[in-house]
Formats: sequence, structure tokens, C-alpha cells
Amino acid sequence: DQQVKQNSPSLSVQEGRISILNCDYTNSMFDYFLWYKKYPAEGPTFLISISSIKDKNEDGRFTVFLNKSAKHLSLHIVPSQPGDSAVYFCATTGGATNKLIFGTGTLLAVQP
Amino acid sequence: ETGVTQTPRHLVMGMTNKKSLKCEQHLGHNAMYWYKQSAKKPLELMFVYSLEERVENNSVPSRFSPECPNSSHLFLHLHTLQPEDSALYLCASSQDQRGYYGYTFGSGTRLTVV
Repeated sequence: DQQVKQNSPSLSVQEGRISILNCDYTNSMFDYFLWYKKYPAEGPTFLISISSIKDKNEDGRFTVFLNKSAKHLSLHIVPSQPGDSAVYFCATTGGATNKLIFGTGTLLAVQP
Repeated sequence: ETGVTQTPRHLVMGMTNKKSLKCEQHLGHNAMYWYKQSAKKPLELMFVYSLEERVENNSVPSRFSPECPNSSHLFLHLHTLQPEDSALYLCASSQDQRGYYGYTFGSGTRLTVV
């Protein structure tokens, strides 16, 4: 059973606009959340994270929002750039989990 | 360069060959992982090593054999693979297995089985 879901397999956005990537999780004991970015034929690279004691964390163009009551995580990229085109994975840990659990990924395409 | 180095970057092998993938990290991490990523599929966790001891094996066929001789090196030995094993194989390491410091991934080995 998938504990972390990214329901949109793909997303297309115009350059300069906002990209919003979503992630839902099932276990309320998860307390740390991360986003990774992956280019084709490369390994995922860490982008931004958030602890469950916060509801927002910002780093430049990237902001992660956490809604614990809804068990929902989102990544906002603004303004979007063509170089942001990649697969984005959310990941989480906490509770009895002994490893990071990754979502299925969302392919973001930023159109020039 | 992420601090996790994987070699080779690309590998083509026949179904009767034996080859090995190598992963090396000098980040002082205690846990190392093998993941498989097939086309348009999510990351699949294959093996987890913590302090050089295998702690997880996710129902991976025996034609994949991991080895962790020390905390800095991880190998994946391959033999009699099938064409459906063609994928990107990713190594990762972490300071703690639970992931509170994140995982650091290598660039992967693109494996093609012919």
C-alpha cells in the first residue's frame, strides 16, 4: 500500500508562472518531509525539507507547505524556469518508519 | 559531484555475463542503499545496509547480490540477468537510516541487458 502518493504523474507550466506539486501521505506519525529533484539518467538531488513543527519553509524560489490535518504537502516554484523541468519526488520519515519513503514522482515540464 | 560515486555510469551486458556495480561514499555515512528505477516507474528500494550489515532485502531476485565490505563501499553483483532488469541503478547513503538528514544519491549506473 502506497503510504506517500503523488497523484499527478505530470505537470506542464509556462515559464515565469507558478508550479505547484502535491504530495499526500497516510501516516500521521510522519514528522519530516523532503523534496528531491531528478533529471533523466541522474540520481535525485535534495531540494528542500520541512519538519512537522512548521507549516512553511522557503528557500529562494522554492517553498514547501505542510498541512498536517490534511496530511498534505506541496512544493511551490515561483517563478518557474525551463531548468526546473525534472521529476520531483516527495519523501517522508517518522514514527516507526526506519527509512525514507518516496512518492511516485511528478514530471514537471516548464515551457519557454 | 554529490559525494556518492557510482561506476560504471553505463553498462551493457549479455544475459550470461557477470558484472558488478560499485558505489563509494566518503561522507562518513553509516547506511547505504541500492535503488532501481525503471522507465516511468517509481524508485524501488532493493537493499539497505546499516553499519555494513544488510538490514533490508525487498524480495529482490537472487541474480542480484549485494556486498558491503566496509562503510564506504557497496557493490551490486549481477549474474544471468534478464532484459527486464534493464534500468537505472542508484546508490544512496545517509547519516542515519531513518532519513532525518536525507539520503545522498549517486548519479546511477544505466544498465542495459541484451
